[in-house]
Amino acid sequence: DQQVKQNSPSLSVQEGRISILNCDYTNSMFDYFLWYKKYPAEGPTFLISISSIKDKNEDGRFTVFLNKSAKHLSLHIVPSQPGDSAVYFCAASVGNQFYFGTGTSLTVIP
Amino acid sequence: ETGVTQSPTHLIKTRGQQVTLRCSSQSGHNTVSWYQQALGQGPQFIFQYYREEENGRGNFPPRFSGLQFPNYSSELNVNALELDDSALYLCASSLAGSAYGYTFGSGTRLTVV
Repeated sequence: DQQVKQNSPSLSVQEGRISILNCDYTNSMFDYFLWYKKYPAEGPTFLISISSIKDKNEDGRFTVFLNKSAKHLSLHIVPSQPGDSAVYFCAASVGNQFYFGTGTSLTVIP
Repeated sequence: ETGVTQSPTHLIKTRGQQVTLRCSSQSGHNTVSWYQQALGQGPQFIFQYYREEENGRGNFPPRFSGLQFPNYSSELNVNALELDDSALYLCASSLAGSAYGYTFGSGTRLTVV
């Protein structure tokens, strides 16, 4: 049972434009949400997180939005850069368990 | 500050064999978690260790077992390997209570033939 879903396997965006990556979840008990970025042959690296008590968290070019009523999470990257090309995983946690989505492959076109 | 290191990076085993994967945690981290990432899927939680005790387990059979050592390094053991065990195995360390998630290793690619 996939509790965290990323329905877009891939996304292509022009350099300088906004990238929006989406994530849906089913478990209302999740209390923490994270985004990870993964380059080929490397492990995922932590990007940004948000607590369930907030609806927005910003860190430089990266902003995560949480809509609890819709059980929806999104990551905005503005402006997108070619170095942002990677697979992005959203994850949600309850207790000490993290549940990951299947990932979205972002390609930023120069 | 060293990151999380995993060994070996690649491994080929025959169905029915046993395998041990190793992980060295990031300095200062006391919790280690193991994940299985099948092709095209997100990482799936196997289990977590804190202070050498199992501290949570995902939906994996008992033939998946682990250890955490006093220096917080860890092993993942899989007995009676099946073809479906072929995957990338990721180790992640963290500091219990940290709000910043995990630090992942680069993974061990296990192929069962």
